[in-house]
Amino acid sequence: GAVVSQHPSRVICKSGTSVKIECRSLDFQATTMFWYRQFPKQSLMLMATSNEGSKATYEQGVEKDKFLINHASLTLSTLTVTSAHPEDSSFYICSAMTGTSFTDTQYFGPGTRLTVL
Amino acid sequence: AQSVSQHNHHVILSEAASLELGCNYSYGGTVNLFWYVQYPGQHLQLLLKYFSGDPLVKGIKGFEAEFIKSKFSFNLRKPSVQWSDTAEYFCAVNPNTGTASKLTFGTGTRLQVTL
Repeated sequence: GAVVSQHPSRVICKSGTSVKIECRSLDFQATTMFWYRQFPKQSLMLMATSNEGSKATYEQGVEKDKFLINHASLTLSTLTVTSAHPEDSSFYICSAMTGTSFTDTQYFGPGTRLTVL
Repeated sequence: AQSVSQHNHHVILSEAASLELGCNYSYGGTVNLFWYVQYPGQHLQLLLKYFSGDPLVKGIKGFEAEFIKSKFSFNLRKPSVQWSDTAEYFCAVNPNTGTASKLTFGTGTRLQVTL
């Protein structure tokens, strides 16, 4: 089946530093990838939609200059949290789709736990 | 904007009990509906999905869900749960626009199955 990986699975950083999270589709090409954020005991909140070769589309309230998304290839999207602060601590999850039709399934990565000290 | 409500936050059942998890959505147009499951320490996996046709959808591991348009509901059911069904269950919806679009998730229901 379609597998999506994320790296790292867990990261701890100091306030003010930047952190890059990778999302890879291992056995399929993903035209579209999504980035979500999940707070404890809450649902996944979509942050942005990433399309290969074009700029990401951010959801309302998500700072695009803080959460930089790059979808440089059909198998890799990266999320960089710039100048991270403790309030950015969260669980970040990516998903990837095999196509662009609404009938295509989103496959989710295992998530990355970010802790900002 | 669409929204999804899952009224049961935490459900505890004994093995072999029947399960029904509620999901209601708010959206004026045609939608696609999904149930995802997240087992402890694992990533989200698709249980089942509804796009059109028969409103009773069967998924993996014996789960099914029924789309009731008049009630804006898509409840998840399983006649007899197993200990291995202990997980977090998320209902999700996206507008049926023909192309890939974002999912809106409910807050999730934690199911705990006791032996």
